[in-house]
Order: sequence, then C-alpha cells, then structure tokens
Amino acid sequence: EVQLLESGGGLVQPGGSLRLSCAASGFTFSRFAMGWVRQAPGKGLEWVSVISDSGRNTYYADSMKGRFTISRDNSKNTLYLQMNSLRAEDTAVYYCGRAQGRVDPFDYWGQGTLVTVSS
Amino acid sequence: QSALTQPASVSGSPGQSITISCTGTSSDVGGYNYVSWYQQHPGKAPKLMIYDVSNRPSGVSNRFSGSKSGNTASLTISGLQADDEADYYCSSYTSSTTLVFGGGTKLTVL
Repeated sequence: EVQLLESGGGLVQPGGSLRLSCAASGFTFSRFAMGWVRQAPGKGLEWVSVISDSGRNTYYADSMKGRFTISRDNSKNTLYLQMNSLRAEDTAVYYCGRAQGRVDPFDYWGQGTLVTVSS
Repeated sequence: QSALTQPASVSGSPGQSITISCTGTSSDVGGYNYVSWYQQHPGKAPKLMIYDVSNRPSGVSNRFSGSKSGNTASLTISGLQADDEADYYCSSYTSSTTLVFGGGTKLTVL
C-alpha cells in the first residue's frame, strides 16, 4: 500500500525557515517524480514544486523560486522541502504527492502538514 | 502563471448529471493533453479522479468522465450521489514545465 507521511510543519515567525519531510513507503520511491502542493486555509490548491525521480531536475512555482528548495534522498525514501524567508502568505497545509509523469498527475497524496507563519 | 478558471459552485440532484468547466490558455489546457481533476472532501487530501484529460485511475467510478475542447476542459459526473459532494479542482501542465490548478468548484448535491 502506497503511503506518504509528511512531517515538519509548525509555527514559525516571518522571515524564518522550516524543512518539511515526506516519508514514502509501499512503492519504489526512486522510480517516481515527487512534489509538493499547498492549500491556504479556506483556499484552493496551489502547486509548489516537483523533483524528478533521480533528483537531477527540479521545478518551482514562480512565487516560491529562490525561497523554497525541493530535494530527495532515494536511499531514505524521503522527500524534502526547505522553506526560507517565510511570509504570512505561506501559511498553508503542505501536501506531498507522487507524480505519475514528469510533473503530474499526483496519484497519491499524504495527509498534509500545517505550516503557520506568524509572529 | 494564472490559475485556471472554474465556476465557484455547481449543484445537482441525486441521479442527475453535472459538468464543471476549467478554462485556461493555449500555454496550458489548450496546448497539452495533461489535464487532471481532483476531488477533495472537507479536511481530506485531494484524490485523483481523471488524468490526461479523460483517463480514470483504477478504482474511480465510470460515472466520472473528462473531456477537452480548445482551452477548456470539462469534468462530467453522471448519476450524482450524495458522496460526490466535495470540492473539485482541475490542473494542467504548462509550457513553463510547471503545473497550474484551477480555483476549485464546490459541488452541492441537493
């Protein structure tokens, strides 16, 4: 059974940093692109980033470029999202997902981890 | 990248059919057959319902179908059931090698 389990969310001050993790199991992690999607409270889904199966290629939404870094450790079956220079508008539930193709679709999702940026 | 345009809400009675539209541009919806649809119940993670415009993942009911014409994709749900009440989001691959979502549509089953 495919499982994705996010962790690392919490309360952080504006300008601070946070690293999210997504532990994967139930499939061959190194064969799939993986990504992050976020959802602000009461709002819609927003694509954040995707990383290729090998980790060599990364793609970001314009509003996250330069502040967020996606990475993966295929030996640990874990996906990461390093978030720097956090702003109030980054407050959201962050979901990790497995991508069937290069960028999408996300056929499996984690349960999400809440990031709150506030002083 | 601007969000794809979806109606804020649609409604239908049990047994009826409804269609949700998703309008983009030639740089996303119109340029690629990589449109997906997701269902999200309150407090839950999204669930993939349709991918590559019209393909259903294993386990998804054949009451759900997708299509595309020009820059507009559509999700049709036939034989509406109470459990279909949820938010629905479309997404599309873009020419910038990114993904863009629609604003979401709240489906109410009357």
